[in-house]
Amino acid sequence: NAGVTQTPKFQVLKTGQSMTLQCAQDMNHEYMSWYRQDPGMGLRLIHYSVGAGITDQGEVPNGYNVSRSTTEDFPLRLLSAAPSQTSVYFCASSSGQGAVYGYTFGSGTRLTVV
Amino acid sequence: GIQVEQSPPDLILQEGANSTLRCNFSDSVNNLQWFHQNPWGQLINLFYIPSGTKQNGRLSATTVATERYSLLYISSSQTTDSGVYFCAVALFYGGSQGNLIFGKGTKLSVKP
Repeated sequence: NAGVTQTPKFQVLKTGQSMTLQCAQDMNHEYMSWYRQDPGMGLRLIHYSVGAGITDQGEVPNGYNVSRSTTEDFPLRLLSAAPSQTSVYFCASSSGQGAVYGYTFGSGTRLTVV
Repeated sequence: GIQVEQSPPDLILQEGANSTLRCNFSDSVNNLQWFHQNPWGQLINLFYIPSGTKQNGRLSATTVATERYSLLYISSSQTTDSGVYFCAVALFYGGSQGNLIFGKGTKLSVKP
């Protein structure tokens, strides 16, 4: 099925551990992004990419790294997990310059850092 | 940066009622989208509507770009309409093309 696939769906980490959240899309979209959702805060942009080899920071990038080696994949790495990174993470993609065709979101990863 | 404000923050309806959700934004935008997040957390794109009016079944949306607001109408609400409705906007310039800025959402509960 076409769309955005995120793995894992749930994850519990200990403070200081590192991990990678995976995101893959099969729609040949150039633009991909990562958001985090916290209660009462809406969605906030972490990092984004306008194409393979190009990434940039969003509103809340600290503690996260990204890379875009292929059009399909856009992994998000937590370098040293902290309780403040407990959140639901969403990956999104869109086609066309400036994302004029609407966004497709993955189903989310619920991360708990203890 | 652009500010996005949604109202009301919470809304409780009886099944069959109509409702209007509002989104105000602080600057001119090239992109405005409405999303529904269902109780299981899935985000679904409802409308891409930077200006004008669109309709999809019981849902319709209107954006008045010159006055910097958008409205989402839900008619004959059903329990499956429950969830959180987000408005998101973007302004295209330089390296920030396509970055959506989200409001905090309107939580809708439809009672049977």
